Amino acid sequence: AQSVTQLGSHVSVSEGALVLLRCNYSSSVPPYLFWYVQYPNQGLQLLLKYTTGATLVKGINGFEAEFKKSETSFHLTKPSAHMSDAAEYFCAVRGGDQGGKLIFGQGTELSVKP
Amino acid sequence: GAVVSQHPSWVICKSGTSVKIECRSLDFQATTMFWYRQFPKQSLMLMATSNEGSKATYEQGVEKDKFLINHASLTLSTLTVTSAHPEDSSFYICSAGPPAGAGGDTQYFGPGTRLTVL
Repeated sequence: AQSVTQLGSHVSVSEGALVLLRCNYSSSVPPYLFWYVQYPNQGLQLLLKYTTGATLVKGINGFEAEFKKSETSFHLTKPSAHMSDAAEYFCAVRGGDQGGKLIFGQGTELSVKP
Repeated sequence: GAVVSQHPSWVICKSGTSVKIECRSLDFQATTMFWYRQFPKQSLMLMATSNEGSKATYEQGVEKDKFLINHASLTLSTLTVTSAHPEDSSFYICSAGPPAGAGGDTQYFGPGTRLTVL
């Protein structure tokens, strides 16, 4: 069975500050891990993903995440927050089988203060 | 590339009526599509996995007779909410992928459909 836990349902940072959104997973098979962003009343947009290979993955809009197997974590970071980063962020895990379903975390709402 | 559309983007209906929501992969073929439901300020809950040419697989607790799913082609899946009631009001999101025959590992999400049942 797989599960995802996002620590902190709401994170608030100042513009220009570091963004850190936490995600821990549980998986009985090598996981595929994803971060998605959702703006109000919209679908989900893929920020980045980890499947195999390099554990530090870079995504769009300056975001990156590091897969740490020993910590079962896949935290999302961005060095400098922009106002436009304010949104809901979801971490998701999928088993290694192609076409498998995604299991989502609870989501973290990111607020950016001017 | 990898664009998924949904129609309609929002719908208001009366209690007891049925509503159909379409999910289309515009530039790729998808043997598998997924339907999610999202309540305000909550995460996505997977409702069912839609497989082209076969019956959908529903998650535990999801009524298959109420949420009818049809995946008749490699680019179209439909979700019909039958005899809708106010508690069915929600944001419904579909995803498609990975693209058929191209390998890959990513699902692409539609923009969602806001259903309000009066």
